[in-house]
This record gives sequence, structure tokens and C-alpha cells, in this order.
Amino acid sequence: GENVEQHPSTLSVQEGDSAVIKCTYSDSASNYFPWYKQELGKRPQLIIDIRSNVGEKKDQRIAVTLNKTAKHFSLHITETQPEDSAVYFCAASRMEYGNKLVFGAGTILRVKS
Amino acid sequence: DSGVTQTPKHLITATGQRVTLRCSPRSGDLSVYWYQQSLDQGLQFLIQYYNGEERAKGNILERFSAQQFPDLHSELNLSSLELGDSALYFCASSIYRGGDTEAFFGQGTRLTVV
Repeated sequence: GENVEQHPSTLSVQEGDSAVIKCTYSDSASNYFPWYKQELGKRPQLIIDIRSNVGEKKDQRIAVTLNKTAKHFSLHITETQPEDSAVYFCAASRMEYGNKLVFGAGTILRVKS
Repeated sequence: DSGVTQTPKHLITATGQRVTLRCSPRSGDLSVYWYQQSLDQGLQFLIQYYNGEERAKGNILERFSAQQFPDLHSELNLSSLELGDSALYFCASSIYRGGDTEAFFGQGTRLTVV
């Protein structure tokens, strides 16, 4: 079945440094790759997504890159701030007919000030 | 507020009991997903409904069942509850129309089995 692997499981960075989280997916038909941020005790919220027809997307301090050939995509957060501390989940899906999101296991990001 | 409503927010029940979790999707969203998140665990996909029909199934236990009603709200039924079923259960909804497929999550129902 479909599978999404996410690394690392935990990541500690100093405030102002960059953070990179990587995901690999198994279903080659996947064409939609969102990233969700979950703060403690709260619901996951979409922070950025990318579709398979583009290789990179940026939104202020966050960016996502996609390599369809290698079937992996990454989240990059620059100039990290303490409020970036949270659990980040990657996911993969086929967009047609609202297909299910398959999530990675999550990365706990800690930004030390 | 995501527009997805889950009730109840908290539920404490005893082993062996049966509970029903309810989800109202965002207005117009046809897909409803259920996920389970145990302590320090990721989001485990349980089941998806699309416009009233089961679309996909994950690692959902036979003791668990779900349905989506004509008004598109969904219910997740958990029976013969065990201590290990204690978790946060999330419902999410989405619509696929013209490429818009973002899934919005509800606040979750925290189930504690004692």
C-alpha cells in the first residue's frame, strides 16, 4: 500500500538557523504533497503544499521542494523562530476525487532560543 | 476555526463500552476522513468517505466502523473498547474541485478508555 517515510523524527535547531525535513513516498501516482503543522494539543493545519507539476514553492520563510523522479519532497524553514516549534507532518495524495492523505510519522521540531 | 466540527471534545469511558464520535465537515466538502493519533504517534488513517460512500480504508480495526450520512456528516463508532484505543481522533474534510484539495481538520475528540 501507499507509504510515506519522514525524517528525522526529532530536530533541534538554534533560533535563526534553518531546518530541513525530508519525506519519501511510495505511490508514484501521488501528485499532491501538503505539509501540516501541529502545535501541542491542537489540530494539524496546512502550512504549504505543492503539486507535482512544480518543483519548488515558497511562502515567506518556508519552502517545499519536490523530486518526482526520486519520489521525495522536503520542507525548508529558514530563520527559525521559537514559534516554529511544533510537530510537522508531510503527506502525499492523488488529487483526483479527494483521495486520502497518507501522512508521514511526523517530525518534532524544537527551536532553541 | 477550520469549519470542521467534532463532538464531543472529550470522552471518558470504560473498557468494553461503545462510543460514537461525530464529525460535521465544512460546508460543501464531500470527503470526510478519520484519523487516529495515539500519544506521541503520527496520524494513522482509518477510513475515508466521499459523498456518502466509503472511498478508502486504512488500518481500521473490525471493532470500529463509520458512515457518512446524506447531509454529509459522519460518525465513527468504536465498540468493545480497549485501553489501547485511548487516543485523539481527528476528522478532516476536503473537496476536490478545480485542484483545490486541502484537507481541513477538526479539533479532535480525545477518547480516554479506563
